[in-house]
Amino acid sequence: DTAVSQTPKYLVTQMGNDKSIKCEQNLGHDTMYWYKQDSKKFLKIMFSYNNKELIINETVPNRFSPKSPDKAHLNLHINSLELGDSAVYFCASSQDIGTVNEKLFFGSGTQLSVL
Amino acid sequence: QKEVEQNSGPLSVPEGAIASLNCTYSDRGSQSFFWYRQYSGKSPELIMSIYSNGDKEDGRFTAQLNKASQYVSLLIRDSQPSDSATYLCAVRGGGSYIPTFGRGTSLIVHP
Repeated sequence: DTAVSQTPKYLVTQMGNDKSIKCEQNLGHDTMYWYKQDSKKFLKIMFSYNNKELIINETVPNRFSPKSPDKAHLNLHINSLELGDSAVYFCASSQDIGTVNEKLFFGSGTQLSVL
Repeated sequence: QKEVEQNSGPLSVPEGAIASLNCTYSDRGSQSFFWYRQYSGKSPELIMSIYSNGDKEDGRFTAQLNKASQYVSLLIRDSQPSDSATYLCAVRGGGSYIPTFGRGTSLIVHP
């Protein structure tokens, strides 16, 4: 069983479209994250979600919105896609955001290409 | 804002040598430090974590932490071609519990 799974693995779309990426974890973790990795491998936090508390990186455009139906799922919705949104998006989870020594478990990533 | 700095490399070492990867961080309140390895096209995976000053060894890997200098490093002994990957330094604690990553160092181990 995959601990953190995200779909789709590849997403190719046109500028201006709206798309979603799904993420599910079966580890029983309380905290989930979305990271964006650019072409230079820089992993940048976008959101974290813990017990219904959303922490947003203020640099993330409001075209991006996380949706969490329950603590095992954190989906990412993107409206009005732009060329600069092309990147690999990683979902991750950890047991508890309040425990500093908790490691992250990553999903396999979603390669988003905006044409 | 918390910053984590790494030399992007690539760092090229011959097989069997020691690879030394370095990372500095800006937030003096940081409490936890992690090294993740990421193969091309794959997701990051944790290889080492360290929380107190000094060295921590795990097999061929040694993490070193110096909080006074705000510096953490990863040594890989007897480097193998399979160690060729990008190594990401991550820092947690201080002003935020959300892990902040450096840009990663590309390591190439050549036979």
